[in-house]
Amino acid sequence: DAGITQSPRHKVTETGTPVTLRCHQTENHRYMYWYRQDPGHGLRLIHYSYGVKDTDKGEVSDGYSVSRSKTEDFLLTLESATSSQTSVYFCAIRPGLANTGELFFGEGSRLTVL
Amino acid sequence: QQQVKQSPQSLIVQKGGISIINCAYENTAFDYFPWYQQFPGKGPALLIAIRPDVSEKKEGRFTISFNKSAKQFSLHIMDSQPGDSATYFCAASGGTDKLIFGTGTRLQVFP
Repeated sequence: DAGITQSPRHKVTETGTPVTLRCHQTENHRYMYWYRQDPGHGLRLIHYSYGVKDTDKGEVSDGYSVSRSKTEDFLLTLESATSSQTSVYFCAIRPGLANTGELFFGEGSRLTVL
Repeated sequence: QQQVKQSPQSLIVQKGGISIINCAYENTAFDYFPWYQQFPGKGPALLIAIRPDVSEKKEGRFTISFNKSAKQFSLHIMDSQPGDSATYFCAASGGTDKLIFGTGTRLQVFP
């Protein structure tokens, strides 16, 4: 258990509404990531953070924004949700400063946009 | 554009058989190649990883083979068991803080 909590775990919303997913960690890791998982596409990186207020884009960042105002929380926001953003969203932390390819993932947040 | 290509998409193996999943990459800056295992309803978990200066790495029944010149790597699961039934992802990192995943392989092992 890497001390990662995602909330909410399940959410159903309507097209055009804003949605915020929260990732909370308890071990002060510097690096945090948001991925989405879709059949046939695997896991695709949305955004990641390398410190408080330091974030960068991933492969599929359009339509998403992130914020990290404190070490333990990394928020993913869909400003105006669309049906194409229906997915399972995973938060992950990197336990070390070097990128060894090791990430610890949360349990996921399943989002359905109607 | 998929930076890490994974095949097959699904795999059915009988108990005791060998499961083989293949991945290929283009970016020569990649220098870590992990494999992740994911059970239904759970997040992916690191299974085994390899660096390109090693051609093979074995941990129990799981072996990664790496071919640097061909830019390919593969996961072999020996003596496959029903408990190995899961989705497997290859991944690659290097040169940036990103970890790029393949599209996944759903493995089913039947008794």
